[in-house]
Amino acid sequence: QVQLVQSGAEVKKPGASVKVSCKASGYTFTSYYMHWVRQAPGQGLEWMGIVNPSGGGTTYPQKFQGRVTMTRDTSTSTVYMELNSLRSEDTAVYYCARGYGAGSYDPFDPWGQGTLVTVSS
Amino acid sequence: EIVLTQSPGTLSLSPGERATLSCRASQSVSSTYLAWYQQKPGQAPRLLIYGASSRATGIPDRFSGSGSGTDFTLTISRLEPEDFAMYYCQQYGSSPRAFGQGTKLEIK
Repeated sequence: QVQLVQSGAEVKKPGASVKVSCKASGYTFTSYYMHWVRQAPGQGLEWMGIVNPSGGGTTYPQKFQGRVTMTRDTSTSTVYMELNSLRSEDTAVYYCARGYGAGSYDPFDPWGQGTLVTVSS
Repeated sequence: EIVLTQSPGTLSLSPGERATLSCRASQSVSSTYLAWYQQKPGQAPRLLIYGASSRATGIPDRFSGSGSGTDFTLTISRLEPEDFAMYYCQQYGSSPRAFGQGTKLEIK
């Protein structure tokens, strides 16, 4: 079955960087786009961007441009999301989510289990 | 940039009742690109409806979606105890993809 397994919780200081991984299995890794979504405590869902596991192309919303980098490793079927210059407002659960279909404009399903990133001095 | 507004913020109903959740977009969204998700505490979201009215794999038929343009609705025909959760709408047809702020469906 399709599965997305994310790396474990992280605690970072303000100004630092964090890199979260998402390992995919159960399907052809390069055939489906991958998204990253975050959720601050008690808040809603926020889209952070998309990566094409086939060619590595990315699209980020303006809010995160210059601060987020999404990459992939086809040899291990893993995508990564790195967020720089962390601040307290970046404390959130970070999810990877695969495109439901093979296009870049598809809904998100399934989702990883989430990775809690805590930014605190 | 499309903004999605969900109403009500909280909906209090009893098992067996019918739930109607609303999602309004700041500009027209092709119905091809409107989805609904369910999220339970401590869990990742789960896709329920895509293309405004198509149920995702394994979703019970008590869940249905409708709407077009700027107004969309998620209906749960007869609430089961496991349906009490947060629900989010999403547009995925343009960047940035956007989610509504959510509706909490709670037991009355």
